[in-house]
Amino acid sequence: EAGVVQSPRYKIIEKKQPVAFWCNPISGHNTLYWYRQNLGQGPELLIRYENEEAVDDSQLPKDRFSAERLKGVDSTLKIQPAELGDSAVYLCASSLVRANTEAFFGQGTRLTVV
Amino acid sequence: EDKVVQSPLSLVVHEGDTVTLNCSYEVTNFRSLLWYKQEKKAPTFLFMLTSSGIEKKSGRLSSILDKKELFSILNITATQTGDSAIYLCAVGEAGNNRKLIWGLGTSLAVNP
Repeated sequence: EAGVVQSPRYKIIEKKQPVAFWCNPISGHNTLYWYRQNLGQGPELLIRYENEEAVDDSQLPKDRFSAERLKGVDSTLKIQPAELGDSAVYLCASSLVRANTEAFFGQGTRLTVV
Repeated sequence: EDKVVQSPLSLVVHEGDTVTLNCSYEVTNFRSLLWYKQEKKAPTFLFMLTSSGIEKKSGRLSSILDKKELFSILNITATQTGDSAIYLCAVGEAGNNRKLIWGLGTSLAVNP
């Protein structure tokens, strides 16, 4: 069974440029998470979807970040414009919608803003 | 405020040593506690604990949860250099708010 797939794996952009990340969750997983992880820190939740509905986006910097999950499967996370402080690893994870299930992570996208 | 605290923040041991990593939590609506191992990529799932006192074991790794004292430990026996990683603890909330609250991790280095 394929795991969570993310692309690209690495991205280097200049500040003020836009960038987008893509995530394909595990088949059948209704819950999808986007996390940002800085070096030496745990993952920080940006947004959580249940199917196509964003049920928790309280930590998403909405002035420059946006996300969508059309049809409740794949998701994209966009930053426009990117800032130097956005450099981090962006992780996508998915899990089943029921109690007591673990989240599985994709390989992440390492973003470097220069 | 809900929080998950891991200790120690970093640890250096020699191959063959046994290590114990700690995770304590203060979460209003506890559902489960999860342990992940993170090398130079995404976290990989190790254990999920929901009941107190029941040890979960996988090879040289084991973990147990104490819901009364609000902590969990992750044990690694006969450590190997391949165990070098960051070990992350997360607590899942119950109910509709299915949030995972993450600790900062313990960075383990196993030297030959």
